[in-house]
Amino acid sequence: KAGVTQTPRYLIKTRGQQVTLSCSPISGHRSVSWYQQTPGQGLQFLFEYFSETQRNKGNFPGRFSGRQFSNSRSEMNVSTLELGDSALYLCASSWGGANEKLFFGSGTQLSVL
Amino acid sequence: GNSVTQMEGPVTLSEEAFLTINCTYTATGYPSLFWYVQYPGEGLQLLLKATKADDKGSNKGFEATYRKETTSFHLEKGSVQVSDSAVYFCALSDPGGATNKLIFGTGTLLAVQP
Repeated sequence: KAGVTQTPRYLIKTRGQQVTLSCSPISGHRSVSWYQQTPGQGLQFLFEYFSETQRNKGNFPGRFSGRQFSNSRSEMNVSTLELGDSALYLCASSWGGANEKLFFGSGTQLSVL
Repeated sequence: GNSVTQMEGPVTLSEEAFLTINCTYTATGYPSLFWYVQYPGEGLQLLLKATKADDKGSNKGFEATYRKETTSFHLEKGSVQVSDSAVYFCALSDPGGATNKLIFGTGTLLAVQP
């Protein structure tokens, strides 16, 4: 059974650009969550999608957005990139109930220059 | 608000030593508690979980007990191996509703030397 797949693995962008990250969950999983991981702030929750609807949202500016498609694949977008957006972005999937085991991808390492 | 406080690292141990990584939490309601592990270059993997007070989660020789009276969920292992070297994260679920939002501690790097 394939795990959670995140693409691309690495990205380099410059300030002011926008970026789209992709996440393919485990087959059958309907919930996809996104986290930002940085050395200074640790792991912070961005948002969770379930059946194409945003179910929960963290405390990030509106430059961070996401969506989920009917096949449960998800994308997150960051517009007007800032240096502080450099981070490892992790996607996690689960069946869709509350307090479930999350299955994480290996992440997308974003560097903003 | 809800938060997790985790033991600062790095923790350096010799193989077969006893491991304790402290974790305390602040939460309204009754969250579920988790330990996740992150090996170099990989995403996080669930190590164990506990969903109510006095529950003990266990996996691969690791254990943690949900202590409501001390708001703690300390991770223990009787005899660590070099392969246990990783970053360990304590986390709690958002007790507010039907969601998988997790609040993580800062992580503790464990280095086990042969």
